[in-house]
Amino acid sequence: AQSVSQHNHHVILSEAASLELGCNYSYGGTVNLFWYVQYPGQHLQLLLKYFSGDPLVKGIKGFEAEFIKSKFSFNLRKPSVQWSDTAEYFCAGPSTPGTYKYIFGTGTRLKVLA
Amino acid sequence: EPEVTQTPSHQVTQMGQEVILRCVPISNHLYFYWYRQILGQKVEFLVSFYNNEISEKSEIFDDQFSVERPDGSNFTLKIRSTKLEDSAMYFCASRRHGTEAFFGQGTRLTVV
Repeated sequence: AQSVSQHNHHVILSEAASLELGCNYSYGGTVNLFWYVQYPGQHLQLLLKYFSGDPLVKGIKGFEAEFIKSKFSFNLRKPSVQWSDTAEYFCAGPSTPGTYKYIFGTGTRLKVLA
Repeated sequence: EPEVTQTPSHQVTQMGQEVILRCVPISNHLYFYWYRQILGQKVEFLVSFYNNEISEKSEIFDDQFSVERPDGSNFTLKIRSTKLEDSAMYFCASRRHGTEAFFGQGTRLTVV
């Protein structure tokens, strides 16, 4: 069965530090992968998505992610975090290619210190 | 910008009672989902719905759960006899073919 895994459960950074959150998926072939963010008390919002094409995808709020097929990874990055980036970040993808069912990683709780 | 809306935002119910959580997906979307997130835990898939029928469901989605799209705009999740462990945030999502899912604000269900 497909899995999406996130390595970092809690990350604490100071403002202006660089961020990289890991996400790995377990199947090959065509993949659709997503990063969602959940700010405190709010709903899940899409940060960025990868369907095909350029493996470096840019999302909202200065986030980007790189799909590396050989490493089965889709890590989220931001060169300089802000206090307002404090949130929980979820990697997600279909449980198998083409399925209706999304599965989510366990999430990474990011705290940015002002 | 179109969005998925969910009502109510917070529902408190007594154990054993039936609850219906309501969602209005984005109007031209075809695939509908319910997920839940127990406090402090991961987002879990419950069920997907396409072409007026369940396309996939998880082991969590047992006989106590049902979904319906009664009128072409609403998408509901019913829990027949709530248990304490059903307390969670329930998210509705919808998408068109080949796109990402858009999530609603969630309904916080508290079973007492």
